[in-house]
Amino acid sequence: EAQVTQNPRYLITVTGKKLTVTCSQNMNHEYMSWYRQDPGLGLRQIYYSMNVEVTDKGDVPEGYKVSRKEKRNFPLILESPSPNQTSLYFCASSTRGDQPQHFGDGTRLSIL
Amino acid sequence: QKEVEQDPGPLSVPEGAIVSLNCTYSNSAFQYFMWYRQYSRKGPELLMYTYSSGNKEDGRFTAQVDKSSKYISLFIRDSQPSDSATYLCACAYSGAGSYQLTFGKGTKLSVIP
Repeated sequence: EAQVTQNPRYLITVTGKKLTVTCSQNMNHEYMSWYRQDPGLGLRQIYYSMNVEVTDKGDVPEGYKVSRKEKRNFPLILESPSPNQTSLYFCASSTRGDQPQHFGDGTRLSIL
Repeated sequence: QKEVEQDPGPLSVPEGAIVSLNCTYSNSAFQYFMWYRQYSRKGPELLMYTYSSGNKEDGRFTAQVDKSSKYISLFIRDSQPSDSATYLCACAYSGAGSYQLTFGKGTKLSVIP
């Protein structure tokens, strides 16, 4: 089954404690991206990757890091989380950046 | 002006009604148009995908694109309670080695039995 898998699905943590959200896809997609979804603001892109070792900033990259060492994995790193990063996060993949995205089921992060 | 505008609703309709969801966009370079459906606690899933202007039908769903007006629509016929979800439109283009995919903020739809 084609899917994008995110872990964890839910996380409550404290300010400043580094965390990583993993994302893996099994569709051999070259393009992967991270979004955050907030009420009234919709989906906003954080970072994207057009291929292995190629990453670039989206609309709201401050406070986040990513890496793309393998085609299937695209982890999102919050090195020093702050309460304003409390949000619902989605990883997505596709063949190209202008093509339909396949989304994971989301990770709900609460930073206290 | 946001590149893709979508009325957030909420929209509440009785079961069996025809639903019309709409988005407007400002960037004339957009050439791919999508509609996603997002259920609570789930990720968005692709519902309809069209290239350039015209209509596309899939069961009870019809997507329309009018590039001259920069207007895209999703029609749901014989709406069902299971159609209750948030619907997001998205517009995309590619050019000169770069891509852009922009989402609307979503319209929350409730279909009342």
